[in-house]
Amino acid sequence: SQKIEQNSEALNIQEGKTATLTCNYTNYSPAYLQWYRQDPGRGPVFLLLIRENEKEKRKERLKVTFDTTLKQSLFHITASQPADSATYLCALLPSYNTDKLIFGTGTRLQVFP
Amino acid sequence: DAGVIQSPRHEVTEMGQEVTLRCKPISGHDYLFWYRQTMMRGLELLIYFNNNVPIDDSGMPEDRFSAKMPNASFSTLKIQPSEPRDSAVYFCASSPGLGLSYNEQFFGPGTRLTVL
Repeated sequence: SQKIEQNSEALNIQEGKTATLTCNYTNYSPAYLQWYRQDPGRGPVFLLLIRENEKEKRKERLKVTFDTTLKQSLFHITASQPADSATYLCALLPSYNTDKLIFGTGTRLQVFP
Repeated sequence: DAGVIQSPRHEVTEMGQEVTLRCKPISGHDYLFWYRQTMMRGLELLIYFNNNVPIDDSGMPEDRFSAKMPNASFSTLKIQPSEPRDSAVYFCASSPGLGLSYNEQFFGPGTRLTVL
């Protein structure tokens, strides 16, 4: 069956460290993968997109990697800050023949001072 | 721009009642999406529109759910009759494009629905 999985357990890290979140998928050949941030009581906010032919994408303190062999994307936040605490969702466009995004359930990140 | 606007922000109703959720997309965005978010199932696409026309409603759980987009600046999601299992946060999102041609979806703040 087709699945997109994120670690349901919260990730707790200390301020200044690098946070790494994982998104694994099964039985998809995604055209691209996106990462969103969601704060409590708010809608998701788009952060980054990485296409299937890209291995890495960066934006300020954020870095996303995409390994189509492992069927995995990693989302890194370097020099993490308490303000980075939120739930992070990955979403993929399952193929070139669809317009619908499929979202993971998200991983909550807590950055402690 | 105020972003995507949703109302109400919270709705508490009793089983069997009709519920109407409202959405105003960002001006100029051709695509509008309705999602439902629960802890167990995450964010699920219910239906999306292109230029006010429903394109894919395969995510609508059953006939109790209906959605309309009478014009480019307004959409509704209606549940009639509502059931406790419909309790969730419902998000509206809009986008100027879709799929390979565009990437980002802009989400509203959501409506938290509780059906007692």
